[in-house]
Amino acid sequence: QVYLEESGGGVVQPGRSLRLSCAASGFTFSNYGMHWVRQAPGKGLEWVAFISNDGSNENYVDSAKGRFSISRDNSKNALYLEMNSLRGEDTAVYYCAKDLGTVTSGLFGYWGQGTLVTVSS
Amino acid sequence: DIVMTQSPDSLAVSLGERATIKCKSSQNVLSSSNNKNYLAWHQQKPGQPPKLLIFWASTRESGVPDRFSGSGSGTDFTLTISSLQAEDVAVYYCQQYYGTPFTFGQGTKLEIK
Repeated sequence: QVYLEESGGGVVQPGRSLRLSCAASGFTFSNYGMHWVRQAPGKGLEWVAFISNDGSNENYVDSAKGRFSISRDNSKNALYLEMNSLRGEDTAVYYCAKDLGTVTSGLFGYWGQGTLVTVSS
Repeated sequence: DIVMTQSPDSLAVSLGERATIKCKSSQNVLSSSNNKNYLAWHQQKPGQPPKLLIFWASTRESGVPDRFSGSGSGTDFTLTISSLQAEDVAVYYCQQYYGTPFTFGQGTKLEIK
């Protein structure tokens, strides 16, 4: 049973930083690409970042480039998102998502429950 | 970036009736190398995370009822629910995974009439 649990969300002031974590279980974590996807309150889904199974490849939506950094620790079955210079428009529920298979990236097969990040003074 | 546009934005259908949601991509998401459409459908029920329903445009994920079906190719796709059940009330999103940034449609809210 695949299980993804996000943590680290909260209220943060504009310009500050926050680190999100995602604990994974129920599958061989080191075999799969992982993503962060966010959803602003009452809005749709926006893919934020991707990291390959071995951490050698990363990709970001333009609005996150230079501010966010995705990383993983395969020894701990953990995914991270370091978010710097936070803005009001970063306010959202952040979901950790797992690729469905080991070959194709971007096919979100499993989602965590999400963690809410609120950027406000 | 590939822009995904869904129609309609909201839809009300009677129980037992057919529901149809359209999705159009701004670029072709059919790969010539493997003849697969890099198009998925996700269902998000109120207060829950999204759930994958369909991938490769028409392949149902394991455990998804067969009343859900996907069709289309290239730039035009359809999600059909053949006989609407109460538990199908949700927002449905199409999503392309042809290339980054991976993008979603704006969502279609499905309600019971």
